[in-house]
Order: sequence, then C-alpha cells, then structure tokens
Amino acid sequence: QKEVEQNSGPLSVPEGAIASLNCTYSDRGSQSFFWYRQYSGKSPELIMFIYSNGDKEDGRFTAQLNKASQYVSLLIRDSQPSDSATYLCAVSLNTGNQFYFGTGTSLTVIP
Amino acid sequence: SAVISQKPSRDICQRGTSLTIQCQVDSQVTMMFWYRQQPGQSLTLIATANQGSEATYESGFVIDKFPISRPNLTFSTLTVSNMSPEDSSIYLCSVERGLGNTIYFGEGSWLTVV
Repeated sequence: QKEVEQNSGPLSVPEGAIASLNCTYSDRGSQSFFWYRQYSGKSPELIMFIYSNGDKEDGRFTAQLNKASQYVSLLIRDSQPSDSATYLCAVSLNTGNQFYFGTGTSLTVIP
Repeated sequence: SAVISQKPSRDICQRGTSLTIQCQVDSQVTMMFWYRQQPGQSLTLIATANQGSEATYESGFVIDKFPISRPNLTFSTLTVSNMSPEDSSIYLCSVERGLGNTIYFGEGSWLTVV
C-alpha cells in the first residue's frame, strides 16, 4: 500500500507569515515529489516538483525533501490571502508510474 | 505545461443514465490519465489510456462502469455508466509532460447524480 499522508488542517496563518505544509510517504522507492494547489471549485495546478534531498526554491515557495525521513514539505513565505487553497502532495516511483496523492491540507491566510 | 480541455465542465445527471466526458490536449501525448476526486477526498486514478490499446484500470474500477476511448494522441473520452449518487464527483483528465514527467490536469468535469 503506497500511502501519502498530509495533515488535513485547516491551517491558518496571518498574512505575511510563513506557511509550512508537511507530507510523509510510505514507499522508500519514491523518486519524484510534487506539490499542487487546488482552489475551491478548480482542478489542481502544479506549484513545483523536487527530486533531490534538500531545498528547492521558486519565488515565495520552497520545497524541502528528506528521503531518509520520508517527508517532503512546502514553505510559503510572505503568505497572501490568494494562497488560501488546498495543497496536495503527490509522489511517484518513476517515469510513467502512477502518482499517489495525499488528501490535501487546507490553508487559510488571514488578512 | 499543457492545455487540457474537458467537456462538460459541469452536469447534473439522472440516476441510471450514462455520461461521456471528453478530453482534448493541445499536443500529442502517449498516455492520458483519468482521475476521480470525490467530495472531500483526494485524487484517485481510474485508468490510464494509451492510444491504440485497451485502457489499464486501477483496482476498484472496471471497464463496464468506466469505458474509455483513446482514438488518437490528443483526445480521450471517459464514460460514467449507469450512474448512481455515489458517482457524484469531479472527473479529471490529465497528461504527463515536461521536465520530471509532471502530471497536468484539465479543468475537470463536475458531475452531480440525482
């Protein structure tokens, strides 16, 4: 059973703060890790992906991967009300393999 | 990224009827994927559709209930057959593309079965 676990939240942070979203996965063979954002009533959209241990930064977003501990996190700096959404973590074993999604963490950024 | 169009975007369906969802991609792709997202749940893969071969279904999904067509490299359909209220869900078409073979989703089809 390949599991991806996320705290469902809701997570609330004040505007301008750092939001930290966490995800753990069960399959040590997982190679690729993705974060998606899903606004209410919309389909998921890719924020970023990460393969290697360590940090990967893209604008206000930083993905962190620790394969030894089997967790991946997403940090959102300077959180904005427009960041309020559900954030989905996904992992895959390799190219062409199924993506396994977590249940998502609901984030609310309070103005 | 990818431009993935789905139709219908939303529909209300009667119990026992069937509905076909269409998915059009802006360029050729080898594999297309159909996901379901039930209310308050995460995404579950229904099947993988390759052009020129039968779709591959995941555990818990069968061809009789969710027949899929893949007539060419840019188009696929998913039919939800003999619908019941439990089929009320978002159905998402997706493709794998680009660096990291990332999954990109269409806009989704919101189905409500009454």
